[in-house]
Amino acid sequence: EDQVTQSPEALRLQEGESSSLNCSYTVSGLRGLFWYRQDPGKGPEFLFTLYSAGEEKEKERLKATLTKKESFLHITAPKPEDSATYLCAVQGGGTSYGKLTFGQGTILTVHP
Amino acid sequence: GAVVSQHPSWVICKSGTSVKIECRSLDFQATTMFWYRQFPKQSLMLMATSNEGSKATYEQGVEKDKFLINHASLTLSTLTVTSAHPEDSSFYICSAPRRLDGYTFGSGTRLTVV
Repeated sequence: EDQVTQSPEALRLQEGESSSLNCSYTVSGLRGLFWYRQDPGKGPEFLFTLYSAGEEKEKERLKATLTKKESFLHITAPKPEDSATYLCAVQGGGTSYGKLTFGQGTILTVHP
Repeated sequence: GAVVSQHPSWVICKSGTSVKIECRSLDFQATTMFWYRQFPKQSLMLMATSNEGSKATYEQGVEKDKFLINHASLTLSTLTVTSAHPEDSSFYICSAPRRLDGYTFGSGTRLTVV
């Protein structure tokens, strides 16, 4: 069974204070690891897909990296508008098409 | 691109009634739509997968007679919660595969059964 654990559960940062969110996973044959941002009362917003260890992707202040056991979402010089819940999900080779296993999420709060 | 429009955003219904939630792919054809449920402060859990023109596939533990899914066209999938009870109150979200990679999600529907 695929499992995803995100840490920390909640993270408070000052504006400009860089940090990283962790996503540890166990999966049978990784097809993809996904990062999403979710605002309260909204659906998840796609950020990145990573497919293999060593892969990195960047978008504005966010950078996602992947190893064989975990993924990190690095946030550089965050702004208050980066406050949201960040979700990590995996799709394993043993699962049916489209079935994503999500972590619990990390609630990020950035104070001005 | 790859926008999924979900309606309604929120709905309150009486116990025993049915509620329909719609998801439309606006700028692409979604042959497959995934339906998730999210309880407060919990993760998203896949409920079922709908495919255009065929029967939906339900995850273990999800009652197919309670959660009716219809995917009659390439741009519309619906989830009907039948004979709703307070324990069905949750946040329901649909998702479709993106053109290049990943999955795009609808904005979600907050269902409250009173």
